[in-house]
Amino acid sequence: EAGVTQSPTHLIKTRGQQATLRCSPISGHTSVYWYQQALGLGLQFLLWYDEGEERNRGNFPPRFSGRQFPNYSSELNVNALELEDSALYLCASSFDAGGSYNEQFFGPGTRLTVL
Amino acid sequence: GEDVEQSLFLSVREGDSSVINCTYTDSSSTYLYWYKQEPGAGLQLLTYIFSNMDMKQDQRLTVLLNKKDKHLSLRIADTQTGDSAIYFCAETSSDKIIFGKGTRLHILP
Repeated sequence: EAGVTQSPTHLIKTRGQQATLRCSPISGHTSVYWYQQALGLGLQFLLWYDEGEERNRGNFPPRFSGRQFPNYSSELNVNALELEDSALYLCASSFDAGGSYNEQFFGPGTRLTVL
Repeated sequence: GEDVEQSLFLSVREGDSSVINCTYTDSSSTYLYWYKQEPGAGLQLLTYIFSNMDMKQDQRLTVLLNKKDKHLSLRIADTQTGDSAIYFCAETSSDKIIFGKGTRLHILP
């Protein structure tokens, strides 16, 4: 069974540009989660999509947005990039949306560097 | 507010036991998790415990839960070099999972 995949592996942008990150969940999983892992800040919850809808978002500005497609894959868009957006962006998927037991399966991440 | 706290670093000699501690805030959390992140990889679920349990053992791993103090610990017996990783504690809370900042486990020869 294929795991969660993310693309690209690495992304280099300059300040003010836009970045688009992509995630394909495990087959059969309907929920996709996005996290930012910046150095020294641990894992910060960004967004949760389920069945095509945004179910929850973390404390990030509106320039962080995304969507989930009918095939449950997802995009994370970051507009007006700032230097502090440089981080590893992790995507995770799960089968049971909002259930009390929620095992998330993580992709390898996209390393975004903003120059 | 919602927060999961862990110490950032732990150094342990190979063969000794490692104990990673975590405190959480939501007393209504039904499941608590330990995830492991190896270098250059995403997180992987290591083990979990249901909130009505005090202890769970799985081979070299022992999870202890103190609901009164909202304290969770992960004990790794006979720590090996392959255990070198970042360990994240997490709780389910209000329809999302909250992760701690992670504890980097360093194995000394």
